[in-house]
Amino acid sequence: EDQVTQSPEALRLQEGESSSLNCSYTVSGLRGLFWYRQDPGKGPEFLFTLYSAGEEKEKERLKATLTKKESFLHITAPKPEDSATYLCAVQSNAGGTSYEKLTFGQGTILTVHP
Amino acid sequence: ETGVTQSPTHLIKTRGQQVTLRCSSQSGHNTVSWYQQALGQGPQFIFQYYREEENGRGNFPPRFSGLQFPNYSSELNVNALELDDSALYLCASSNRGYEQYFGPGTRLTVT
Repeated sequence: EDQVTQSPEALRLQEGESSSLNCSYTVSGLRGLFWYRQDPGKGPEFLFTLYSAGEEKEKERLKATLTKKESFLHITAPKPEDSATYLCAVQSNAGGTSYEKLTFGQGTILTVHP
Repeated sequence: ETGVTQSPTHLIKTRGQQVTLRCSSQSGHNTVSWYQQALGQGPQFIFQYYREEENGRGNFPPRFSGLQFPNYSSELNVNALELDDSALYLCASSNRGYEQYFGPGTRLTVT
């Protein structure tokens, strides 16, 4: 069974203080690893897809990286508007799965203080 | 390009009642997935529809059922509501093999 664990559960940063969020996963054949941002009471907003170890993607102050066991979301010089819950999810291609289920972690709540 | 929309935004039901939630997929997308998100948790996969057929299901009982229509919109039906069904219900649309884009969700409260 696919499993995703995110750490820390909550992270409080000062504006400009760079840090990283971790996503550890166990999956029988990784089809893709996804990062989403979720604001309170809203649906997740797609950020990145990573497909293979060594891959990196960037968007503004965010950079996602992938290894065979984990992914990191690096936040450089964060601003208060980066405050949100960041969700990591995996999609498996095990057993010829014909559907594209996402298995999510519990999320990391990021708070950036001015 | 129109994003994923869901209705209603909020809903309050009594235990034992039935509820129908609706989702319009993003333009050009042919696959719809439904997720349940309890407070403080990540979304949990309920099921997925492709070409009007259910083609995958998570660990949810049969009282959770759905439909997909020819225009790729979808419904989630829940019968015999229980208190634990209180959650944010999320719909996501995609083209097979690509990223899933989520709607704003429907907040269901069961009393």
